[in-house]
Amino acid sequence: NAGVTQTPKFQVLKTGQSMTLQCAQDMNHNSMYWYRQDPGMGLRLIYYSASEGTTDKGEVPNGYNVSRLNKREFSLRLESAAPSQTSVYFCASSDGLTGGELFFGEGSRLTVL
Amino acid sequence: GNSVTQMEGPVTLSEEAFLTINCTYTATGYPSLFWYVQYPGEGLQLLLKATKADDKGSNKGFEATYRKETTSFHLEKGSVQVSDSAVYFCALLYSSASKIIFGSGTRLSIRP
Repeated sequence: NAGVTQTPKFQVLKTGQSMTLQCAQDMNHNSMYWYRQDPGMGLRLIYYSASEGTTDKGEVPNGYNVSRLNKREFSLRLESAAPSQTSVYFCASSDGLTGGELFFGEGSRLTVL
Repeated sequence: GNSVTQMEGPVTLSEEAFLTINCTYTATGYPSLFWYVQYPGEGLQLLLKATKADDKGSNKGFEATYRKETTSFHLEKGSVQVSDSAVYFCALLYSSASKIIFGSGTRLSIRP
């Protein structure tokens, strides 16, 4: 039961470097999401994709880009990493939120020096 | 706008104590409400939900009732266990935007 798989689990970057976080789900879900989790601030939505071929900004999209590669995969790219992007990133998927349940990956811890 | 406010932690209790974690919300219309739990080193998972006023969600001994008059969805458990130690997130779904908004989370620690 893979569910939602994120890679990498840990990454250290220098300021200005770029990287892509990968996410894949095997539940045939239509919707996928990227959140960041920071101490005292809970989860904040970066971008989401309500269905294959569409993407929309969330609460904190600046400094990020996303690609919904196909129904299974939704990647998050940092073009020029900044220390403020040090965080734990979670990918999630859902069946259109009709039931309201999000299924989360285990998270990717990113440190930007 | 739509938002969720939950009590700040950390909350530390002894085993078998009664638990309440407060959650209030601001939303237009009739959102669905959720509690998610995050165990150490893991992603979030759904604990319980309620989709309309006066609904009670329950799971693993936890309960929460959707109170529209007080815009609240407080999480309760009658007797907590060490294994309940985790971070708990209140959340709401406003279907017009097809996304879930989370509160800031409450860390719960249970002493044996």
